[in-house]
Amino acid sequence: QQQVKQSPQSLIVQKGGISIINCAYENTAFDYFPWYQQFPGKGPALLIAIRPDVSEKKEGRFTISFNKSAKQFSLHIMDSQPGDSATYFCAASKGGGFKTIFGAGTRLFVKA
Amino acid sequence: NAGVTQTPKFRVLKTGQSMTLLCAQDMNHEYMYWYRQDPGMGLRLIHYSVGEGTTAKGEVPDGYNVSRLKKQNFLLGLESAAPSQTSVYFCASKERVNTEAFFGQGTRLTVV
Repeated sequence: QQQVKQSPQSLIVQKGGISIINCAYENTAFDYFPWYQQFPGKGPALLIAIRPDVSEKKEGRFTISFNKSAKQFSLHIMDSQPGDSATYFCAASKGGGFKTIFGAGTRLFVKA
Repeated sequence: NAGVTQTPKFRVLKTGQSMTLLCAQDMNHEYMYWYRQDPGMGLRLIHYSVGEGTTAKGEVPDGYNVSRLKKQNFLLGLESAAPSQTSVYFCASKERVNTEAFFGQGTRLTVV
């Protein structure tokens, strides 16, 4: 019930294309869903986050789509750029809980 | 503003040796966490703290101990290092539950 399942494990996209990463969760008590971006040799950093009262959140080229009934959420990167090449982690946490549960990560490579 | 600082950045240990990893944050955050990152496994929680003087076990606590004597510092100890503890270790802090986690740059530990 505490798991967050992330797919795909790795992704190769052409420059200008759309990158899509999917996550699924079991625990309906989760109410905060962040995505973290990690470049090689660096710590993860928050990219964008959503709470379940909205179905979509957009920040620049990055969009989170959230489907509460299916218990799924996804990250879309529009007009993907080589600089977006990184590892992306989805995560979930719940109010009153101290822990964040992370997905296994997706390594994205954007070909120039 | 330094954020979250981890020392050391790299370390090689022999099996059976001990060491302490230091995490320091200057954001006055209550919550601090130690994770390990292994290929294909995402970020797994080792131990965490919800305030000065408190610690709690995470997903994979065996072989590790922690202390939070001061609010700004969270120490991770390995009493008798094993090759299975070869990993990249990340410290993180949060101001409140269900908010952004701020990560350090990581410590790459190799146990031979």
